[in-house]
Amino acid sequence: SQQGEEDPQALSIQEGENATMNCSYKTSINNLQWYRQNSGRGLVHLILIRSNEREKHSGRLRVTLDTSKKSSSLLITASRAADTASYFCAKDDYKLSFGAGTTVTVRA
Amino acid sequence: EAGVAQSPRYKIIEKRQSVAFWCNPISGHATLYWYQQILGQGPKLLIQFQNNGVVDDSQLPKDRFSAERLKGVDSTLKIQPAKLEDSAVYLCASSSPRFYGYTFGSGTRLTVV
Repeated sequence: SQQGEEDPQALSIQEGENATMNCSYKTSINNLQWYRQNSGRGLVHLILIRSNEREKHSGRLRVTLDTSKKSSSLLITASRAADTASYFCAKDDYKLSFGAGTTVTVRA
Repeated sequence: EAGVAQSPRYKIIEKRQSVAFWCNPISGHATLYWYQQILGQGPKLLIQFQNNGVVDDSQLPKDRFSAERLKGVDSTLKIQPAKLEDSAVYLCASSSPRFYGYTFGSGTRLTVV
């Protein structure tokens, strides 16, 4: 069973705009991770956020975590065409349980 | 550090045939995972190994899928006989407690016709 639900399922934005996607999960977490996947191939790790953290940054990426609402969000600022990919959140309990993902298309 | 190696990259088989995938994790990573990703969905864990022992295989369709990790290093996932709904990308990942994170291979894309 998949533990996370991403919203929206798909997102289309213009280059330079920000992209925000949300993830909700059902049970308590140790850690939550975000991954990117290009063209259905391997997954690339973006950010890990621990249950006692509320926000983390990595370059143009910002992840927030609200454990009271069992939700997380990923913000990509100043998007580029190369950001076109599918983005997944995954609950991390010494194994990853993925949501269905958000497909982001960045138009030039 | 070399990444997680998987082979083959692509495989096309007819239904009811058998197929095997191979994964070589990062050296020293004790934990190895096999995921199935159907088009348009997120990866689903099939089986988790710790060294050469199975930790979780609750979502592995054991009537047709099998996996082994002899000697606690590389691993093989087999499907016999394959069904049309087995068409998916099969991803292998490894992790180590000394390195917090998971590293994924590029996957094997299986098409069952």
